[in-house]
Amino acid sequence: KNQVEQSPQSLIILEGKNCTLQCNYTVSPFSNLRWYKQDTGRGPVSLTIMTFSENTKSNGRYTATLDADTKQSSLHITASQLSDSASYICVVSGADKLVFGAGTILRVKS
Amino acid sequence: GAVVSQHPSRVICKSGTSVKIECRSLDFQATTMFWYRQFPKQSLMLMATSNEGSKATYEQGVEKDKFLINHASLTLSTLTVTSAHPEDSSFYICSAGLTRSGANVLTFGAGSRLTVL
Repeated sequence: KNQVEQSPQSLIILEGKNCTLQCNYTVSPFSNLRWYKQDTGRGPVSLTIMTFSENTKSNGRYTATLDADTKQSSLHITASQLSDSASYICVVSGADKLVFGAGTILRVKS
Repeated sequence: GAVVSQHPSRVICKSGTSVKIECRSLDFQATTMFWYRQFPKQSLMLMATSNEGSKATYEQGVEKDKFLINHASLTLSTLTVTSAHPEDSSFYICSAGLTRSGANVLTFGAGSRLTVL
């Protein structure tokens, strides 16, 4: 069964700290993996997209990693800011199918 | 590039009325558009995939007569919630892709909050 599992479900960190979100998937065949940031009441915004051959991709303070062998991905946020508070969604693309993770709700406190 | 505009952003309607939500790709032609529904604190649930010029493909459990999807052009898809009821209140989001699987470009609209009284 094609699944995408994200952890933790929610996370609270202090402003300025780093954090790492996890995404494990069983989608096969695999096409690409995307991380999105969704602010409350808004549509998701793309952070990174990685194909099978890519291990790491950065977008500012966001760095995503992909291990296609273990089917795991992580999203690392460096020097968190209050504006990073949002839901982070991992989406895996397979054969004509997109599988969404349930998301990790991140709250950055001052 | 790859901007998707969704309208309206919020709509309040009476029970029994129909509501239309538009999804437009502003700077590219979208052969495929996706419609999602999202309940509070939950992830997006794919409702249907619409392909320009053909009938939409609905996910299991989604009533096609309830949620009418039209994708008449490469830049516009519409979702009509017919005879809306309070349980249809939700956040509806569209996304547009450049390929049939949406794998190459997937851009989301800002979402439409539907409240049915």
